[in-house]
Amino acid sequence: DVVVTQSPLSLPVTLGQPASISCRSSQSLVYSDGNIHLNWLQQRPGQSPRRLIYKVSNRDSGVPDRFSGSGSGTDFTLKISRVEAEDVGVYYCMQGTHWPFTFGPGTKLDIK
Amino acid sequence: QVQLVESGGGLVEPGGSLRLSCAASGFTFSDSYMSWIRQTPGKGLESVSYISGSGSSINYADSVKGRFTISRDNAKNSLYLQMNSLRAEDTAVYFCSRGPRVVDYWGQGTLVTVSS
Repeated sequence: DVVVTQSPLSLPVTLGQPASISCRSSQSLVYSDGNIHLNWLQQRPGQSPRRLIYKVSNRDSGVPDRFSGSGSGTDFTLKISRVEAEDVGVYYCMQGTHWPFTFGPGTKLDIK
Repeated sequence: QVQLVESGGGLVEPGGSLRLSCAASGFTFSDSYMSWIRQTPGKGLESVSYISGSGSSINYADSVKGRFTISRDNAKNSLYLQMNSLRAEDTAVYFCSRGPRVVDYWGQGTLVTVSS
């Protein structure tokens, strides 16, 4: 199975400051169709996961533009330009290229 | 708007069976791949199974192969997961999600506890 790692696992951030989460996969995530199926998910306390970013850098409808995704091959990054209180939760990267699709362990973001 | 509502979770003894259901609305269900994903505090999120819109393409994680069966009823806009020979390690919150790859919509989850 493709192993997906994330760092850091814990991310205390001051309100209004930027945040960055790294995601690395054990294999290239380039699919046969040329796409890279790398998603970023947010799980707020007590809620289901919610997709924020798909195919590395595409923001979902309703996701604030302070969230951005980048990367290629095996290395990916989620950036939040200015953290707000509603951003508290756990962030997961997920690869959808190689079955079984696998998730990172999650990065817990909280306010310092 | 899109809604996915899971049901059928509960407490079951090891070796027992349970059938989960997911009622979908707000999108063309029969055109959509659907999947089951589970979450535990220890192992995190894990893809369990997926099924194509027509039901012709199905896949399972090795950990559940031969014990779980995914199915769907497009006339009822419903997804199912039949879980047999349950083990303690199957204890988790089970989510249904649209597409195993896109995971753009998730249900609220249903808790399955396998314990004697």
